[in-house]
Amino acid sequence: AQKITQTQPGMFVQEKEAVTLDCTYDTSDPSYGLFWYKQPSSGEMIFLIYQGSYDQQNATEGRYSLNFQKARKSANLVISASQLGDSAMYFCAMREPQGHTGNQFYFGTGTSLTVIP
Amino acid sequence: DSGVTQTPKHLITATGQRVTLRCSPRSGDLSVYWYQQSLDQGLQFLIQYYNGEERAKGNILERFSAQQFPDLHSELNLSSLELGDSALYFCASSVGPGPYEQYFGPGTRLTVT
Repeated sequence: AQKITQTQPGMFVQEKEAVTLDCTYDTSDPSYGLFWYKQPSSGEMIFLIYQGSYDQQNATEGRYSLNFQKARKSANLVISASQLGDSAMYFCAMREPQGHTGNQFYFGTGTSLTVIP
Repeated sequence: DSGVTQTPKHLITATGQRVTLRCSPRSGDLSVYWYQQSLDQGLQFLIQYYNGEERAKGNILERFSAQQFPDLHSELNLSSLELGDSALYFCASSVGPGPYEQYFGPGTRLTVT
């Protein structure tokens, strides 16, 4: 089974509107972390937001929020008030412990977001 | 700018050759991660080091090896290169070995001809 699933290869959103990018994950480890990264066409990977498996509240960072539904194993990214600069590839990722102090990371296939003026 | 540096930016080499990619983590970060991003396999975690010691291994081929030096910079060595090794190789760093967010470098684009 895929560890991280992003089912939306491409999404379009009108400028200033909100958009939700879907992500589901699969793990049996009780301690894990979920991340979202943005990759613009220039290629760099930009960290957006992090949610720990034990965090009670949904993570928020400015216009980004993570809708964490643990029972459903979903970690959707919500971008509010979209801007043209938000056009990029978005990756959902999960960290699982490996050994005592190591971490294994899994990335989804990404969602390409286009913001329309 | 994440503070993570990678050299070189671009590398073109022939099949069968060996190359070394270099990464310097952000100041204060002790953990380094290597990733491979290719069109067919997406973003794959290769290996993690913390303060000079290997801590986790992902989908790293036996032809690939890495190390982290006492000054905390890391090198990824790729040998017996094949066409399929052409990819963008990222290094990322974090403060510790545990559940901390990672900051990615700009990547090294490797082209094997």
